[in-house]
Amino acid sequence: GDSVTQMEGPVTLSEEAFLTINCTYTATGYPSLFWYVQYPGEGLQLLLKATKADDKGSNKGFEATYRKETTSFHLEKGSVQVSDSAVYFCALTGNTGKLIFGQGTTLQVKP
Amino acid sequence: EAGVAQSPRYKIIEKRQSVAFWCNPISGHATLYWYQQILGQGPKLLIQFQNNGVVDDSQLPKDRFSAERLKGVDSTLKIQPAKLEDSAVYLCASSSTGTERATQYFGPGTRLLVL
Repeated sequence: GDSVTQMEGPVTLSEEAFLTINCTYTATGYPSLFWYVQYPGEGLQLLLKATKADDKGSNKGFEATYRKETTSFHLEKGSVQVSDSAVYFCALTGNTGKLIFGQGTTLQVKP
Repeated sequence: EAGVAQSPRYKIIEKRQSVAFWCNPISGHATLYWYQQILGQGPKLLIQFQNNGVVDDSQLPKDRFSAERLKGVDSTLKIQPAKLEDSAVYLCASSSTGTERATQYFGPGTRLLVL
């Protein structure tokens, strides 16, 4: 079945460092791809999405490109802030619309 | 625009007791989802409604879990009887349509602890 694999966490970075969180997927058909973020004590929020191959989603300085050839959707940010500390989830949707999530990656940014 | 509302936010019960969670989706959203998020894992779909009909309940443990969406708006998820392994956050989400491109918006979740 469809699945999403994310890099193991936690990821610990200093402020202003470059961030990459790897995400690869297995799916039949042409899923849409998402990154959701969960800040401490809060619910899941959509960070960005891409609906077809080569699309780039971006928001709040974060970017991810839908790579069909490598079945990847890696999350990047050029300069992280302490406020970016959260759990990040990569997800895909199949044709019914249900989300299939990876296990999540915890990011901790230190000042 | 109001977001997805859920209640209660926290619930502690003993095993074999019953519990119910309530969700009010974003106004006008036809599709409603219930997810279970166990600590340290990504959310997993329990059930998906399109209006008041069930689209997918393949991962719902039907011997103890039930859900309904009367009138195609609010929804209730019930567990009876609860087991220790049901301790999790129960997330409700809604989207305007049930297609792969539709964005799902999540509520704050209900954190359940079964003792």
